[in-house]
Amino acid sequence: TQLLEQSPQFLSIQEGENLTVYCNSSSVFSSLQWYRQEPGEGPVLLVTVVTGGEVKKLKRLTFQFGDARKDSSLHITAAQPGDTGLYLCAGVGGTYKYIFGTGTRLKVLA
Amino acid sequence: GAVVSQHPSRVICKSGTSVKIECRSLDFQATTMFWYRQFPKQSLMLMATSNEGSKATYEQGVEKDKFLINHASLTLSTLTVTSAHPEDSSFYICSARDLASPLHFGNGTRLTVT
Repeated sequence: TQLLEQSPQFLSIQEGENLTVYCNSSSVFSSLQWYRQEPGEGPVLLVTVVTGGEVKKLKRLTFQFGDARKDSSLHITAAQPGDTGLYLCAGVGGTYKYIFGTGTRLKVLA
Repeated sequence: GAVVSQHPSRVICKSGTSVKIECRSLDFQATTMFWYRQFPKQSLMLMATSNEGSKATYEQGVEKDKFLINHASLTLSTLTVTSAHPEDSSFYICSARDLASPLHFGNGTRLTVT
């Protein structure tokens, strides 16, 4: 069974601080995605990384895919209250099955 | 962009009844649809994968007779929770993809069984 462990599980920080969320697995994925989910809604795709070592930036968010395509990180610079939510990584394996990580709940305080 | 519509968004039913949840891809043909279950403050747990015109593939531990999935067309998949019990109360989310795109998610259905 493929598992994706995210750390930390919970994070509460002040506005303006930086943070990093990690997504780790012992399995290799063909690609990995990051989502953010608000309560009562479906996840919204933030980014897809495909190549080992790839780095993608989305405004204040920086995503990195590990060289071996087993892990990924999400770094947020100068966090804002609007960044509050549940962050989920998802690894894409065989037959396009998406395996979601355990989730990181972020709260940014004003 | 691609849109996946899930209906209903909320449903309350009595124990022992069945509930059907619909997932529609509005502007693309979904070759594969996925059904997830999410408990409060937890991640998404994949329940089953359905491909149009064939039987769904269920994940280990998911009762196929309990959670009936039908993917009769390239734009519609349904999940029926049969003989619902309070422990089936949860947030159910569908997602869909075509051959060239990443997953697109519905907005979920909150099921409450009383």
